[in-house]
Amino acid sequence: EVQLVESGGGLVQPGGSMRLSCAASGFTFSTYGMNWVRQAPGKGLEWVSGFSGTGDTTYYADSVKGRFTISRDISRNMLFLQMNSLRVEDTATYYCAKDRSPWTDYFFFDSWGQGILVTVSS
Amino acid sequence: EIVLTQSPGTLSLSPGERATLFCRASQSVSTFYLAWYQQKPGQAPRLLIYGVSSRATGIPDRFSGSGSGTDFTLTISRLEPEDFAVYYCQQYGRSPPITFGQGTRLEIK
Repeated sequence: EVQLVESGGGLVQPGGSMRLSCAASGFTFSTYGMNWVRQAPGKGLEWVSGFSGTGDTTYYADSVKGRFTISRDISRNMLFLQMNSLRVEDTATYYCAKDRSPWTDYFFFDSWGQGILVTVSS
Repeated sequence: EIVLTQSPGTLSLSPGERATLFCRASQSVSTFYLAWYQQKPGQAPRLLIYGVSSRATGIPDRFSGSGSGTDFTLTISRLEPEDFAVYYCQQYGRSPPITFGQGTRLEIK
């Protein structure tokens, strides 16, 4: 059974940094694209960043480019999101999400974590 | 970037009725790269449909997707009590940007 478990959220001041982690199990982690999707309170879904399932390519939404960095540790089946220069508008629940098919980059997601809340506020 | 506009914003129906949800793209969505998700309060989204019309694993056949180009539809043939939720369409492809619609809330009438 696929499991994705996020950790590392909480309260941070504007301009601060935070690192989210996603522990993956139940599938061959290295062969799937992995992504972060966020949802501001009471709002819709926004794709944030993705790690390619076909290599080491990373992708970012324009809203976070230059501030967020996605990475992975295949040996530990872990996905990370380093978030710097955080803004109030980054406040959201962040979900770790797995691409449906291995060895592809289609960016649609068949498994999601439970989400972790990040609050950016002074 | 492709903008997805979902309609209606809220749909009020009764169990047993048929639900039709719409998703319109600002430009043509390439090669059937359109998905639908269901989200219930306090839960993560769940993939329902991908490739416009393919049901994800474990999704009942009362859910169906159709459309092409810029206009897409999610149909729930006979609503069950557990179907009342928020539904999002998403366009995807071999590279970002990936975008979601703003959602349609399906509520019990």
